[in-house]
Amino acid sequence: DVKVTQSSRYLVKRTGEKVFLECVQDMDHENMFWYRQDPGLGLRLIYFSYDVKMKEKGDIPEGYSVSREKKERFSLILESASTNQTSMYLCASSFLAGGVTDTQYFGPGTRLTVL
Amino acid sequence: AQTVTQSQPEMSVQEAETVTLSCTYDTSESDYYLFWYKQPPSRQMILVIRQEAYKQQNATENRFSVNFQKAAKSFSLKISDSQLGDAAMYFCAYRSSAGGTSYGKLTFGQGTILTVHP
Repeated sequence: DVKVTQSSRYLVKRTGEKVFLECVQDMDHENMFWYRQDPGLGLRLIYFSYDVKMKEKGDIPEGYSVSREKKERFSLILESASTNQTSMYLCASSFLAGGVTDTQYFGPGTRLTVL
Repeated sequence: AQTVTQSQPEMSVQEAETVTLSCTYDTSESDYYLFWYKQPPSRQMILVIRQEAYKQQNATENRFSVNFQKAAKSFSLKISDSQLGDAAMYFCAYRSSAGGTSYGKLTFGQGTILTVHP
């Protein structure tokens, strides 16, 4: 079974704090993704990575950065958390075969509240 | 840019009955993939079914089937013999078949909450 884990299920932070959300997958997937989920908006892609140390901006990268130092781990960083970053954050991973991405597998999510 | 629209924020169904969730999308591409994902209250999103646009045959997975209308850009999910465990948020998603920097980005709809009544 593919397993994608996220460091916290619930997180409460204060405005201006630096926040790290971590995601680990155990299937040797090349691709990893960070989404945020908001009611009425579905999931929106923040950043993704197709290889170690490689990253690409998604649809809503402003206010976020990412780090991928090891293949299995993909971190999302909020440099200075703001209240409008209160959301559910979902990590996903997938194989990359022949330049085509395979099915994405999701982690359980982190509910982040910024006060 | 592609867009995906789920016009039903909430749906309900009686146990053992059939329900259909709607999804429309907009794209200028001719080849792509469409997905339905299920997110139960525990929040782990799982894939329900996928459809390749070049395949005319509608995909089926046990009690789940799709009605893929390429010309109409419609992709609905039918759940037959609904069970209590089907209660969840369902998301429709689009993915380009192009490689390169798209790298399999998924575009999601807004989601539909499905309630199953015993």
